[in-house]
Amino acid sequence: GQQLNQSPQSMFIQEGEDVSMNCTSSSIFNTWLWYKQEPGEGPVLLIALYKAGELTSNGRLTAQFGITRKDSFLNISASIPSDVGIYFCAGPRISSGSARQLTFGSGTQLTVLP
Amino acid sequence: NAGVTQTPKFQVLKTGQSMTLQCAQDMNHEYMSWYRQDPGMGLRLIHYSVGAGITDQGEVPNGYNVSRSTTEDFPLRLLSAAPSQTSVYFCASSSRAGAEAFFGQGTRLTVV
Repeated sequence: GQQLNQSPQSMFIQEGEDVSMNCTSSSIFNTWLWYKQEPGEGPVLLIALYKAGELTSNGRLTAQFGITRKDSFLNISASIPSDVGIYFCAGPRISSGSARQLTFGSGTQLTVLP
Repeated sequence: NAGVTQTPKFQVLKTGQSMTLQCAQDMNHEYMSWYRQDPGMGLRLIHYSVGAGITDQGEVPNGYNVSRSTTEDFPLRLLSAAPSQTSVYFCASSSRAGAEAFFGQGTRLTVV
C-alpha cells in the first residue's frame, strides 16, 4: 500500500537549535501535509504543499515538497519549548473505494530541552 | 467556531460493553472520518463518509460501525468492546476527500 515512512521517530534537542525531519513514500503524492499534535489534543495543520519543488514557510517552520513527489521535509528553526509535540506528515492516497484518503506517517516526537 | 467536537473526552469500558463516540462539525464539510491513534503507529483510518447517507470502511474497520444521517454528525459505535480497542480516537472533517483535515480533540478510550 501507499505508506509514509517518517524519520526520525524521536528527537531531543536544545532550545535554539534547528530541527529537520522528513517523510518518504514508495508512491507519488500530489499533496503533502504537515501536522503538529500537542499532548491531549488533536493534530493541527501546519503547512500544506501542492506542487513538486514547492517551499512554504509558516513562521519558523519551512516545508518542502520533494522534486520526485515521493518525499517531503519539515524544518523548524531556532526551536523553543512550545515546539514540543508530535509532528506528522500526511498525504492523500487512492483507496480501494472511490474516495482518496489521507494516510499518515508514524510521527516524529520532538522534545526541546531548556 | 467550534470546528470538530468530540464527546466524551475520556471513557472506560468493560469488555463486551457497547458505546457510541460522538462527533459533530459545524464547517459544513462533506467528508468526515474516524481515526485511531496507537503508540508508534500514527493515525489509522477506521471509517469515513463522503456525505450524508454514504459511509465506507478504512484500514481498520473491524469492531466498529458508523452512520451519517446528517452532514454535521458522524458517530462511531463500538458493538462489543475489546481490550484491543483501547486507543485514542479522533474524528476529522474536510471539505472533500483527501483535502486538509480538521481534527477534534480526541476520545481516550480504555477497555478493561
